[in-house]
Amino acid sequence: QVQLVESGGGVVQPGRSLRLSCAATGFTFRSKGMHWVRQAPGKGLEWVAVIWYDGSKEYYADSVKGRFTISRDNSKDTLSLQMNSLRAEDTAVYYCARLSGWSNLDYWGQGTLVTVSS
Amino acid sequence: QSALTQPASVSGSPGQSITISCTGTSSDVGGYNYVSWYQQHPGKAPKVMIYDVSNRPSGVSNRFSGSKSGNTASLTISGLQAEDEADYYCSSYTTSTTWVFGGGTKLTVL
Repeated sequence: QVQLVESGGGVVQPGRSLRLSCAATGFTFRSKGMHWVRQAPGKGLEWVAVIWYDGSKEYYADSVKGRFTISRDNSKDTLSLQMNSLRAEDTAVYYCARLSGWSNLDYWGQGTLVTVSS
Repeated sequence: QSALTQPASVSGSPGQSITISCTGTSSDVGGYNYVSWYQQHPGKAPKVMIYDVSNRPSGVSNRFSGSKSGNTASLTISGLQAEDEADYYCSSYTTSTTWVFGGGTKLTVL
């Protein structure tokens, strides 16, 4: 069965960096686009970034553009999110999600909490 | 990248029907049939309920349906059940090759 497992969250000081990972199993990872979506405590969902199935294209929300980088290793079935210059407002649970078609985020991980605080 | 507009809350009694709206622009909801809806229970990951405006994934109850008119998409839940109480989010693909979510709607089953 399809499984997405995020890791790498934790407490980090403002201005520092953190790298999240998402391990995918149960499907042909290299055939699917992948997203990162976040949710600040008590708030709604916010789309963060997408990467094409082959890694050829990446797109970002304005709120993270220039600071975050999405990447994937199709040989290891792993999705990553490199987060630099972190701010307090980046504090959130970060989910990875699989994209089927153009609008169907059909599988989500359990999320990993990132807390940016001094 | 402005969030899509949803009502903050809706409520209904068991057995009733409710509709949640999701208003965007011609650059997102109105421009593509790529609207999806997600249900999220407290402490859980979101679950897709509707994709491509009106398609229901296998395993999702046929009490859930989606539609779109112009820049506004809608999710209708008929025959409300206690287990439907959750937060609901719409999402749309945009002309910038980005995606955007709505602010979320808290559904209370009275």
